[in-house]
Amino acid sequence: ELKVEQNPLFLSMQEGKNYTIYCNYSTTSDRLYWYRQDPGKSLESLFVLLSNGAVKQEGRLMASLDTKARLSTLHITAAVHDLSATYFCAVDAGSGTYKYIFGTGTRLKVLA
Amino acid sequence: NAGVTQTPKFQVLKTGQSMTLQCAQDMNHNSMYWYRQDPGMGLRLIYYSASEGTTDKGEVPNGYNVSRLNKREFSLRLESAAPSQTSVYFCASSWGGTTGELFFGEGSRLTVL
Repeated sequence: ELKVEQNPLFLSMQEGKNYTIYCNYSTTSDRLYWYRQDPGKSLESLFVLLSNGAVKQEGRLMASLDTKARLSTLHITAAVHDLSATYFCAVDAGSGTYKYIFGTGTRLKVLA
Repeated sequence: NAGVTQTPKFQVLKTGQSMTLQCAQDMNHNSMYWYRQDPGMGLRLIYYSASEGTTDKGEVPNGYNVSRLNKREFSLRLESAAPSQTSVYFCASSWGGTTGELFFGEGSRLTVL
C-alpha cells in the first residue's frame, strides 16, 4: 500500500531565506503532484511531475522528482510572506488506477 | 467558470443521522474523488471513480457510500453519521490519463454531534 510522507510538518522561516520540503513515497510511481492550500481554502495545483528527473519552476518555488529514490523536493528560494500556506504532495498509486494519495502536508509560515 | 461545485458547504448532524454530499464538475473530467481533511492527517482518500460507471475504495471508506450518477456528478453518502466523521470533505476531479492533476471544490464542513 502506498504511503506518502512529508517533512518537515511545520516550517517557520524568515523572509529571504531558502528551504526545502521533502516528499518520500513507498512504492514505485513516476507521477507526483504538489498543491498549495491557504487557511480555510481549497487546494490549488502547483506542479505536475511526470517522469524521473522532472524539474518545474514557478517564481520562487522549484519542484523536482527522483523516481529511483522515491523522493520529490519543493525548494523555496528567498521566501516571502505570500508563500505562507500548507503544501501537499500527492502520488499516483500507479498501474492505471488514477488513485492519488496525499502526504500529511507541510505548514509553512514565512516571517517578515 | 464553476469548476467543481460541492453542496452543502456546512452541515451539522446528530449521531445516527444520514446525509448526502453532492459534487458536480463542468470540465468534462473522467475521474472524480472524495477526500476528507482532518488536522494533522493531510487529505485521505475515501472513494474515487476513475471513470463513469466505476467506483473504488480509497484509504478510509468505512462508513461511506458513493454514487457516480453520471459523468458530471459524484455523491458521498453517510448512512449513519458518527462523531469520527466530523471533518472537511473535498471533492475533486481530473482528466485521468497521463496528467492526473486534480481540481478541487471549495469543501464541505461537516460536524457530527
